[in-house]
Amino acid sequence: EVQLVESGGGLVQPGGSLRLSCAASGFTFSNYWMHWVRQAPGKGLEWVSRINGDGSSTNYADSVKGRFTISRDNVKNTLYFQMSSLRAEDTAVYYCVTRVVSSAIGAFEIWAQGTMVTVSS
Amino acid sequence: EIVLTQSPGTLSLSPGDTATLSCRASQSIIISNYLAWYQQKPGQAPRLLIYGASSRATGIPDRFSGSGSGTDFTLTISRLEPEDFAVYYCQQFRDSPVMYTFGQGTKLEMK
Repeated sequence: EVQLVESGGGLVQPGGSLRLSCAASGFTFSNYWMHWVRQAPGKGLEWVSRINGDGSSTNYADSVKGRFTISRDNVKNTLYFQMSSLRAEDTAVYYCVTRVVSSAIGAFEIWAQGTMVTVSS
Repeated sequence: EIVLTQSPGTLSLSPGDTATLSCRASQSIIISNYLAWYQQKPGQAPRLLIYGASSRATGIPDRFSGSGSGTDFTLTISRLEPEDFAVYYCQQFRDSPVMYTFGQGTKLEMK
């Protein structure tokens, strides 16, 4: 069974840092793009970042570019999201997401349970 | 930047009815394969329903269907079941520059 399990969310002060992790199982992790998608409380969904299978290519939404870094460890089958210079507007549930169906290009097929990040003093 | 506008904001229907949800793009989504629909229930992660504008994801019942091309896309849910009442999002992808955009959502509520 394809599964994504996140950890690392919590409360952090403005300007602080936090690292999210997402452990993958049930598929060949290194073959697939991985993404982070977030959802502010009571709001809609926002794509924030992606990384290709071998980690050589990354993309970011303008809202997080220069502050957040996506990375992966294909030995540990784990995706990471290092978040720095956090702002109140970064408060959201963060989802680790992937797609394993080859024809579903551009879609988010498998979602983790989500981890809450709260930026507040 | 492509903006996706979903309508209506809220749709009130009864079990057994047919729901028609709209997603309009601010500019043509040249490759319709890159339009998807999701269902989200409170406290849960979204679930992929439709990709490529009209292909159902694994395990999605055939009551859910997607259609459209260019700038206008539709999600139709036939014979509404109680578990279908949720928020629905459309989403598009373009690769130059890389951009994934969601609509603001349509809440399907029970009348």
